[in-house]
Amino acid sequence: EIVLTQSPATLSLSPGERATLSCRASQSVSNYLAWYQQRPGQAPRLLIYDASNRATGIPARFSGSGSGTDFTLTISSLEPEDFAVYYCQQRSNWPLTFGGGTKVENK
Amino acid sequence: EVQLLESGGGLVQPGGSLRLSCAASGFTFSSYGMTWVRQAPGKGLEWVSSISASGGDTFYADSVKGRFSISRDNSKNTVYLQMSSLRVEDTALYYCAKRDVALGYGMDVWGQGTAVTVSS
Repeated sequence: EIVLTQSPATLSLSPGERATLSCRASQSVSNYLAWYQQRPGQAPRLLIYDASNRATGIPARFSGSGSGTDFTLTISSLEPEDFAVYYCQQRSNWPLTFGGGTKVENK
Repeated sequence: EVQLLESGGGLVQPGGSLRLSCAASGFTFSSYGMTWVRQAPGKGLEWVSSISASGGDTFYADSVKGRFSISRDNSKNTVYLQMSSLRVEDTALYYCAKRDVALGYGMDVWGQGTAVTVSS
């Protein structure tokens, strides 16, 4: 099973600041990595697929990068609605696995 | 409108069974793989099971293998999760999600979830 480790666990930032979230895989997942956002009380939302492709309707301030074992989700300038928990997920191998999540909180 | 609506959750005793349903609308259901993901209270996301568009291929997390069974009825636009031998640790909000090959098999549509509580 591929283990995804997300860091930091919590990121305390203010609106307008840049957020950089990390996801590290225990073995190469090529570029088969997705990012999801989950706001409190809501279902997750697909942000990024295949490491760097924005899903439909996702604002350009969200970007993804990386390949192999190291991946980054960047939010260029935080909006109030971006304070949420973010998960990475790999589809390289079964079982599908998610990272433990990074909470982006309003400082 | 593209929509997934889960149902069937509830309170069940350890060792009991439950069948979850997920009704899809607004898209060609038979063209997409479907997935169940769960989230224990206050915890992260855990993949549970996936099924291919035709239903011919199924996949399970080790934690549920042999106890849960995923199936689908494309004539009813519904995917199911039959859960048996339930354990306290199966307590979670269960989401169904659509996987889109055009989006790297990303889970691009999610339901609002159905809550399962396993307790005596």
